[in-house]
Amino acid sequence: QSALTQPASVSGSPGQSITISCTGTNSDIGGYDLVSWYQQHPGKAPQLLIYEVTKRPSEVSNRFSGSKSGNTASLTISGLRPEDDSNYYCSSYAGRFTLVFGGGTRLTVL
Amino acid sequence: QVQLVESGGGVVQPGTSLTLSCAASGFTFNNYAIYWVRQAPGKGLDWVAVVSDDGDNKYYADSVKGRFTISRDDSKNTVHLQMNSLRRDDTAVYYCAREKSMFVLAAIPGYWGQGALVSVSS
Repeated sequence: QSALTQPASVSGSPGQSITISCTGTNSDIGGYDLVSWYQQHPGKAPQLLIYEVTKRPSEVSNRFSGSKSGNTASLTISGLRPEDDSNYYCSSYAGRFTLVFGGGTRLTVL
Repeated sequence: QVQLVESGGGVVQPGTSLTLSCAASGFTFNNYAIYWVRQAPGKGLDWVAVVSDDGDNKYYADSVKGRFTISRDDSKNTVHLQMNSLRRDDTAVYYCAREKSMFVLAAIPGYWGQGALVSVSS
């Protein structure tokens, strides 16, 4: 049950687009289309942004989008806003019912 | 609206036990799987356990297998996490979360509670 690999930090200016990567293996990201992304503000509970690689809950802005290629999933945030300044986590099903998370990425909106 | 409220957290000594509860409202409780996910101070998210909507299937992370037990009481819309033989590295905020969709175990914790802090210290 190794954690997925995310960059520790990324940054961008308001209005720009950024992409956060999440790298796993054939046993998790590469094996299933069950990748999710979460946003977590400090001291708050995580909020689901993306599920099943590309799907977005109705209440989530369409500025957030997800994709996957091989063993790497990506979250793209377009038109960065100050309120996007937060922590982001990926997760994936990893077989035999296990769920693994990435180590998290701190997004700073400059 | 969906609401999940954790309770039972606190400060305990290594080797002791503690039970967390997650009270749910705003949805048909017995239609959904429920997760426990923890977050150590300053660290990332770490899946702990899950119980299926019908209670027949329970799965655990290797780090807690044999020490933690998840259970659900559909009559009270509550899920419990019994934690035995607690270790210092179990110190974390413990969140309960509801599966996004009904009648599946899809590894998508969609709605989260605000968490309960468990601190294991002598």
